[in-house]
Amino acid sequence: QLQLQESGPGLVKPSETLSLTCTVSGGSISSSDQYWGWIRQPPGKGLEWIGSIYYDGSTYYNPSLQSRVTISVDTSKNQFSLNLSSVTAADAAVYYCARHRPGTKAFDIWGQGTMVTVSS
Amino acid sequence: QSALTQPASVSGSPGQSITISCTGTSSDVGGYNYLSWYQQHPGKAPKLMIYDVSNRPSGVSNRFSGSKSGNSASLTISGLQAEDEADYYCYSYTSSSSLVFGTGTKVTVL
Repeated sequence: QLQLQESGPGLVKPSETLSLTCTVSGGSISSSDQYWGWIRQPPGKGLEWIGSIYYDGSTYYNPSLQSRVTISVDTSKNQFSLNLSSVTAADAAVYYCARHRPGTKAFDIWGQGTMVTVSS
Repeated sequence: QSALTQPASVSGSPGQSITISCTGTSSDVGGYNYLSWYQQHPGKAPKLMIYDVSNRPSGVSNRFSGSKSGNSASLTISGLQAEDEADYYCYSYTSSSSLVFGTGTKVTVL
């Protein structure tokens, strides 16, 4: 049974880079037709897609975040990662990693989420 | 990109049916069948309820159904139950190869 788990600092200083990792267990991150994404949710607000990465490494980002976002895959560790640079208080949110259901764009398996606070 | 538009809240009594709308444009909802719906209970991760407009993942109750017409999509919950009280989000692929969520709808079971 495929499971995803986010990890990373819960507190990031303004202007610094937020870095999170999603560890995939119960399956291979590099299986063909698999792709993975990051979604965030500020406290009390709605969901926002951040970006996604295919098993071949190709990436797609939210245009509003594209200049600050990098998503990468480490197949040797069965992990994928999110880097968000120059963070501000507006980037404080619960960050989720998730798997796209094969053959569709829907996210069918989600991590439990991790809260990231931006404060000095 | 702008979030898809959903009503802020919808309510119904147990056993009733309710419908949540999701309105976009021809560049997202109207242009593709990659329309999905998520249920989110407080403090929990979202759960996929409907994908590709009207398909239910294994394990999702057949009380949930989805449809689409033009630039709008709908999620219908029939036989409303207390456990259905949650936030619901639609989600679509867009012409710029990106993805966008709806504004979210809070469903209250009276």
